[in-house]
Amino acid sequence: GAGVSQSPSNKVTEKGKDVELRCDPISGHTALYWYRQSLGQGLEFLIYFQGNSAPDKSGLPSDRFSAERTGGSVSTLTIQRTQQEDSAVYLCASSEGLFLWDEQFFGPGTRLTVL
Amino acid sequence: ELKVEQNPLFLSMQEGKNYTIYCNYSTTSDRLYWYRQDPGKSLESLFVLLSNGAVKQEGRLMASLDTKARLSTLHITAAVHDLSATYFCAGQSYNTDKLIFGTGTRLQVFP
Repeated sequence: GAGVSQSPSNKVTEKGKDVELRCDPISGHTALYWYRQSLGQGLEFLIYFQGNSAPDKSGLPSDRFSAERTGGSVSTLTIQRTQQEDSAVYLCASSEGLFLWDEQFFGPGTRLTVL
Repeated sequence: ELKVEQNPLFLSMQEGKNYTIYCNYSTTSDRLYWYRQDPGKSLESLFVLLSNGAVKQEGRLMASLDTKARLSTLHITAAVHDLSATYFCAGQSYNTDKLIFGTGTRLQVFP
């Protein structure tokens, strides 16, 4: 079946602009995660959605970052007033969500470059 | 808070040789994951280790978990060029959802 998909695959933006990154999880997966991979910070957790529960936003680096998940499926990560340090690959993952230790399947990522 | 350390950062090895990548974590981690990442690609799940003493093998790769020592290892047997990639370990405590990743080990296998 289809895996996790993300769009766009690449995004180049100017400093100060807002960007939206999209994630389509695997059908039927109730848990959705956003991670960021950058040269300086490695792979780091950003935010987690599970069903109708309040999301775990503990990894968001600043209030410029926000995410939502509509209808329990598609998620959008929004970065406002982008900064150069936001340049990274943003990875989305989903899991069945039955247990916390369910395997997470990762999407191809969105490479964000802030000029 | 869980911290995960992985070493070595870079590993250059000859085909046919054996080697081990180490993953240490700071506090109780009830689950340990190993992922592979090819250049420009996303993360591919290799192993999920759920309990002390767990050992899993797939082809030339074998992963193990020692929760008492807070150590997981990824052993490579008779390396081949196709194994060249970056390998990440990630820990997860039982009461949290997020994965905490190690720094990754970039493996290069040469003839």
